[in-house]
Amino acid sequence: NAGVTQTPKFQVLKTGQSMTLQCAQDMNHEYMSWYRQDPGMGLRLIHYSVGAGITDQGEVPNGYNVSRSTTEDFPLRLLSAAPSQTSVYFCASRGTPKISGANVLTFGAGSRLTVL
Amino acid sequence: GDSVTQMEGPVTLSEEAFLTINCTYTATGYPSLFWYVQYPGEGLQLLLKATKADDKGSNKGFEATYRKETTSFHLEKGSVQVSDSAVYFCALSGVNTGFQKLVFGTGTRLLVSP
Repeated sequence: NAGVTQTPKFQVLKTGQSMTLQCAQDMNHEYMSWYRQDPGMGLRLIHYSVGAGITDQGEVPNGYNVSRSTTEDFPLRLLSAAPSQTSVYFCASRGTPKISGANVLTFGAGSRLTVL
Repeated sequence: GDSVTQMEGPVTLSEEAFLTINCTYTATGYPSLFWYVQYPGEGLQLLLKATKADDKGSNKGFEATYRKETTSFHLEKGSVQVSDSAVYFCALSGVNTGFQKLVFGTGTRLLVSP
């Protein structure tokens, strides 16, 4: 049982390049989300999805796109990278609250992105 | 909107010292409250939670009590170990977001020396 798997772990981009951060979970979780972690700012929600075909914006969605074509995968796309997107990105998922209890998220190990 | 305020770090302690990390929140109604821990190079893991007033969450020797009257959820441990060195995040999930989102504090780094 792998849990939440993120790839790549590290990536360096030049300003204006595009890329996709991959996130996959094998727990049949309906809810998936992307956060970014910046020093002194904690974790901020970028986008989330409550099921396949459904996505919604979080606190800081600008510059990022998501889609949810399957229950397992929730990729995060940077269309035109900017230095302000240098951050550590975490994918997190959650099962049915009645089963998993409250809003308990399972996190991936993170993807560190540097935009030059 | 909902928010969480944590004490600034780093908190530096010697092994076996008593730990308190303060957390206060602003939210409508009765949110669920959480402490997550992030060890170096890893993602966040749930440490403990409480879903209603006066509940006490506990795990691995850590405790936190949901205090509605002071809107607080302070994290405590009686005797810290070097292996407790990590970043600790307080978080809430509330009715304002239909309990769909977690709102995190900025994190408090704990450094424990032998």
